[in-house]
Amino acid sequence: DQQVKQNSPSLSVQEGRISILNCDYTNSMFDYFLWYKKYPAEGPTFLISISSIKDKNEDGRFTVFLNKSAKHLSLHIVPSQPGDSAVYFCAATLLTGNQFYFGTGTSLTVIP
Amino acid sequence: EAQVTQNPRYLITVTGKKLTVTCSQNMNHEYMSWYRQDPGLGLRQIYYSMNVEVTDKGDVPEGYKVSRKEKRNFPLILESPSPNQTSLYFCASSWQGNAGNQPQHFGDGTRLSIL
Repeated sequence: DQQVKQNSPSLSVQEGRISILNCDYTNSMFDYFLWYKKYPAEGPTFLISISSIKDKNEDGRFTVFLNKSAKHLSLHIVPSQPGDSAVYFCAATLLTGNQFYFGTGTSLTVIP
Repeated sequence: EAQVTQNPRYLITVTGKKLTVTCSQNMNHEYMSWYRQDPGLGLRQIYYSMNVEVTDKGDVPEGYKVSRKEKRNFPLILESPSPNQTSLYFCASSWQGNAGNQPQHFGDGTRLSIL
């Protein structure tokens, strides 16, 4: 059973607006979360991460929010740019473990 | 240039014919891992290795083998491929599997088609 879920397969946003990508997880033991971005014909590249001791982490235009009680995290991109068009995967792991669990991905299209 | 290199990038083969997908990294990373990406299922971890001669099963190890004889290489072996192993495969590496500030670097993928 999928332990990390991204329920929106796709999302379209106007350039300059905010993109919000969502991710839910079922295992309450997960304590570290990552977002990766993937362009066609390339491997995923790391974007941003957050530890369960925080509820927010920011890096430039990208902010990840974690709601542990709801087992939910979200990635905010502000402002969105056409170059942000890609598939975004969230992933979860245990800081003491070595396995990673990825979501199904959300394809973001930023319309110029 | 720091990179994870997978070969081949594309392969079409037939059921039962043993194949190996190679993976090499030049970053002296300890941790390496294999994933497969399938529509509607995202990325699923097949095997991972914490260091030389240390490998362990991920979520979907059935039908696959790996070896880690050298730090830089982590080949994925399909001894008797079947059509349900048709997928896009990614190799990844990092300093440590669970180091928060050392995320995984991925190769560009290998698309396997098993007929």
